Amino acid sequence: KQEVTQIPAALSVPEGENLVLNCSFTDSAIYNLQWFRQDPGKGLTSLLLIQSSQREQTSGRLNASLDKSSGRSTLYIAASQPGDSATYLCATLQEGSGGSNYKLTFGKGTLLTVNP
Amino acid sequence: ETGVTQSPTHLIKTRGQQVTLRCSSQSGHNTVSWYQQALGQGPQFIFQYYREEENGRGNFPPRFSGLQFPNYSSELNVNALELDDSALYLCASSFRGGSETQYFGPGTRLLVL
Repeated sequence: KQEVTQIPAALSVPEGENLVLNCSFTDSAIYNLQWFRQDPGKGLTSLLLIQSSQREQTSGRLNASLDKSSGRSTLYIAASQPGDSATYLCATLQEGSGGSNYKLTFGKGTLLTVNP
Repeated sequence: ETGVTQSPTHLIKTRGQQVTLRCSSQSGHNTVSWYQQALGQGPQFIFQYYREEENGRGNFPPRFSGLQFPNYSSELNVNALELDDSALYLCASSFRGGSETQYFGPGTRLLVL
């Protein structure tokens, strides 16, 4: 059974700082890994998706890496802004038993606060 | 935006009642997955529907049931509501046989009193 862990659970940084969020998973047989952003009381916004064959993906100030063999992914945010304040979730997509379905397993998230 | 829509956005029910949540999948997608997100937790997989049949379920009791329609939209039904069912319910659509990437709707927030 896949378990996804995110460290730290909460992070508070001053504006302009570069930061790294960590995600680890126990089963490396993943189809892809996604990072999501969630604002309070809202749904999920997909930030970056890394296919299992890829090592990293970049979008603007965000860079996500994937090391499948060690079961780790990191989300790097450059030059953080107060608008980046949100909960960041990582999730792995895996094939279900018998190949009947694909499901995402999420971590509990990292609550990021960027102070002006 | 993903093109996945959910209704209603918010809902208040009392314990013991039944609720139906709806999801319209993104154009071209044939699979719908449902997730429950309790406060302070990551979303948990409830089940997935493909070709109008449930083809995978997480650790949820049978009072959680669903339907998928020929147009690939879906319903989540919860019977005998309990206080712990209060959560954000998210649906995600994807294309079976393609990238399998799941695209999420905005969610329905259910409060059970």
